[in-house]
Amino acid sequence: EAGVAQSPRYKIIEKRQSVAFWCNPISGHATLYWYQQILGQGPKLLIQFQNNGVVDDSQLPKDRFSAERLKGVDSTLKIQPAKLEDSAVYLCASSYLLANEQFFGPGTRLTVL
Amino acid sequence: AQKVTQAQTEISVVEKEDVTLDCVYETRDTTYYLFWYKQPPSGELVFLIRRNSFDEQNEISGRYSWNFQKSTSSFNFTITASQVVDSAVYFCALSNSGYALNFGKGTSLLVTP
Repeated sequence: EAGVAQSPRYKIIEKRQSVAFWCNPISGHATLYWYQQILGQGPKLLIQFQNNGVVDDSQLPKDRFSAERLKGVDSTLKIQPAKLEDSAVYLCASSYLLANEQFFGPGTRLTVL
Repeated sequence: AQKVTQAQTEISVVEKEDVTLDCVYETRDTTYYLFWYKQPPSGELVFLIRRNSFDEQNEISGRYSWNFQKSTSSFNFTITASQVVDSAVYFCALSNSGYALNFGKGTSLLVTP
C-alpha cells in the first residue's frame, strides 16, 4: 500500500514570496491533515479536512495561509506572502476514519530567507 | 483544553539498557485517544500505538511496552534492551474523538553502542 505522498521535499524562498505544497493521501482515507513542525517542537495542526470539507482550521493563519482539498483526495497548502517565521517542516497526514491512527508523509522542509 | 507534557527533553543510554519515556496529559473529555509516534533522523513520523481512554490494559509489542494510568494521567513508553536503531525523537499525542493530534514537545533518545 502506497503511503502519503508530498511534494516538493525541500523549498527555499525569499520572504514575501508565495509557495505551494501538495499532498496525496493514502487511497481511501477520508480525513486529511496539514501540520506545521517548527524545529525542536511537536507538530501543530493547521487544518483538517473530512472528504472535501473543513473540520478544523482554527489555527490556520488565514491572512496568509490557504488550503483546499478538491474532490476529497489531493490537497494543496499555500502560503502567500511567506514570512521568516514560516520556516518549518509541513507535514501531511491521513486517516481512514476519525479517531484512527494518522499516517504521515515525509514532509516538505520550507526555508524562508 | 488539551495538553501533553513530555518533561524529558533528551535521554542518552547505552545499548541494551532499558529506557522509559514519560508522557503526562491533560483533558476534560471522557473519551480520548493517546498515541506514540517515532520520528527518526529521516524525519518521517512513524505510528507506534493508539490507546483509547476506556482501555487501560498495558500493551507489549516486542521490545516496546506502554503503561497507561488514568489515575495519574500518564501514558509512558518503555523500550527494553535498547538498540542504536531506536535513536529518534519520540512524540506522545492526545486526540479527542477523531480530531487532530495534540503533540508533546518530544523526547530525543540517543542510544550509543
